[in-house]
Amino acid sequence: KAGVTQTPRYLIKTRGQQVTLSCSPISGHRSVSWYQQTPGQGLQFLFEYFSETQRNKGNFPGRFSGRQFSNSRSEMNVSTLELGDSALYLCASSLEGVMNTEAFFGQGTRLTVV
Amino acid sequence: DAKTTQPNSMESNEEEPVHLPCNHSTISGTDYIHWYRQLPSQGPEYVIHGLTSNVNNRMASLAIAEDRKSSTLILHRATLRDAAVYYCIEKTGGTSYGKLTFGQGTILTVHP
Repeated sequence: KAGVTQTPRYLIKTRGQQVTLSCSPISGHRSVSWYQQTPGQGLQFLFEYFSETQRNKGNFPGRFSGRQFSNSRSEMNVSTLELGDSALYLCASSLEGVMNTEAFFGQGTRLTVV
Repeated sequence: DAKTTQPNSMESNEEEPVHLPCNHSTISGTDYIHWYRQLPSQGPEYVIHGLTSNVNNRMASLAIAEDRKSSTLILHRATLRDAAVYYCIEKTGGTSYGKLTFGQGTILTVHP
């Protein structure tokens, strides 16, 4: 079956702009989580959506937001981009997003802010 | 957040077994231990998870100590493709829906 698909794979944006990233989960998976990966901070949890509702949120400023659609596809948005937002953004899907389920990650979107 | 401790790096030779340790001394009775790995230029990949007893799958085995304060991921015959960063994660309950708390992981180098 198809894996987790993230688009686009690469993005270059200018400071102050906004960006929207997309994630299509594995068919049947209702939980989608987003992570930011940087060399300095490693992998950090952004937020998780389940059945169109945000269930969990990490410690990121309000410039980072997301949503989930009825088909479980998810988007995350970053407004007023800063240089420090340059990172690999990963999404992961799972059946329920709880303790005893595995997560499947996409290949990520590499965002560069200049 | 629940925290695990892993060695920064380990090395192995191809076709030899590899034992990757993880300490999770503050684990609670309902927390699962998950292992993921990340190959270069890819997203993390699920390896295995368990609660109390040892677990096996096609990729690896997970040995969990009786007191659950530590565990070991076992790759039975390392290949070059197993070179990756391995993350041991305590998957906590409560409201931690969909959240995996990654530490720095163990960088595994496999020599031909």
